[in-house]
Amino acid sequence: DTGVSQNPRHKITKRGQNVTFRCDPISEHNRLYWYRQTLGQGPEFLTYFQNEAQLEKSRLLSDRFSAERPKGSFSTLEIQRTEQGDSAMYLCASSLRASGGPKTQYFGPGTRLTVL
Amino acid sequence: DAKTTQPTSMDCAEGRAANLPCNHSTISGNEYVYWYRQIHSQGPQYIIHGLKNNETNEMASLIITEDRKSSTLILPHATLRDTAVYYCIAEGEYGNKLVFGAGTILRVKS
Repeated sequence: DTGVSQNPRHKITKRGQNVTFRCDPISEHNRLYWYRQTLGQGPEFLTYFQNEAQLEKSRLLSDRFSAERPKGSFSTLEIQRTEQGDSAMYLCASSLRASGGPKTQYFGPGTRLTVL
Repeated sequence: DAKTTQPTSMDCAEGRAANLPCNHSTISGNEYVYWYRQIHSQGPQYIIHGLKNNETNEMASLIITEDRKSSTLILPHATLRDTAVYYCIAEGEYGNKLVFGAGTILRVKS
């Protein structure tokens, strides 16, 4: 399967700990997005990369959150000093940026974070 | 990106067509209409998108009104596995993020 993959699928941590999630996009896709989804809500945009450059960050992305895409391939999302309010599903998506036309985003299965 | 409005929930009998409406009255000329669905605890699944013309693929059909202010997603023969939250999103050609609303909960019943 050559879809978007995310690891781990589930993460349980204690308040105050740091966590890191990984996303591997579809291989030829140069754009990578992170979203967060809390229970009963639709996904909310956090940030996106074009190749290795982080081009946009949402106000939701506090200074405890950092995302990287060092070689323009996989990406990591780190949350420092986790809080119970960080409990959510973290979704990754990727798309192919080409001149003109739509840039359909394809999502991974998500990482469910539970902060105790 | 234009705001979209969808009914909160809909029911459909198994084997019948499911028609999910979406209003996007403020859509601009370069904004595409996307449909995604999300089955419980999974990532959103892309279904279909369109700009002006009606579109069909192996999953669904998308009917866009001539004035582009609304659209309908059609699942021709709904199955129990089509029970999900369906999201309609209007996104520009240069859009960098998808803005999800609450979506429509579609319940397919036997």
